[in-house]
Amino acid sequence: GQNIDQPTEMTATEGAIVQINCTYQTSGFNGLFWYQQHAGEAPTFLSYNVLDGLEEKGRFSSFLSRSKGYSYLLLKELQMKDSASYLCAVLTNAGKSTFGDGTTLTVKP
Amino acid sequence: DTGVSQNPRHKITKRGQNVTFRCDPISEHNRLYWYRQTLGQGPEFLTYFQNEAQLEKSRLLSDRFSAERPKGSFSTLEIQRTEQGDSAMYLCASGPDRTDTQYFGPGTRLTVL
Repeated sequence: GQNIDQPTEMTATEGAIVQINCTYQTSGFNGLFWYQQHAGEAPTFLSYNVLDGLEEKGRFSSFLSRSKGYSYLLLKELQMKDSASYLCAVLTNAGKSTFGDGTTLTVKP
Repeated sequence: DTGVSQNPRHKITKRGQNVTFRCDPISEHNRLYWYRQTLGQGPEFLTYFQNEAQLEKSRLLSDRFSAERPKGSFSTLEIQRTEQGDSAMYLCASGPDRTDTQYFGPGTRLTVL
């Protein structure tokens, strides 16, 4: 089966940088997603890592180490609107995605 | 709007009733996924279609839950004999063949009384 761990909650200050970690154990790994989900809304796609390394996209970057079963999402220049839940999800070769329970990020002024 | 759409957005039903939800994916997307999400949890995979073929499904869909995508376009998810524990947000997502990215619809919130 799959097991995905990420912190339940994090708090950071507006303008700062925050790193949200995700560790996973899975068979048939095919990639790792990060999604953002505001309360009461559907998840929206942020990033997808297949190979090891850092993928940068504006204020958001995502890192993957397949050998360590580890990923992180880095958010720079935090804004109040970044307060949301951040979901780590692993995609398997069978096409199934398994999500973590999400990290609720609160950005304070 | 060319995003994923789901209907209804909210459904309240009594225990024991059957309910059916519909998902219309982004038109050029061949892959369609159903998830269930409860408060404080991540989305839980239910099933996945490639065109009209159902390729993967969780154990939940072997009992009261069933999903179809008869023409490879829209999909329906039916829950028979609903239970209070079925109360959740039901999310549909679609994706193109060439990538594994999934785009989520707004969800259908089910409340079973």
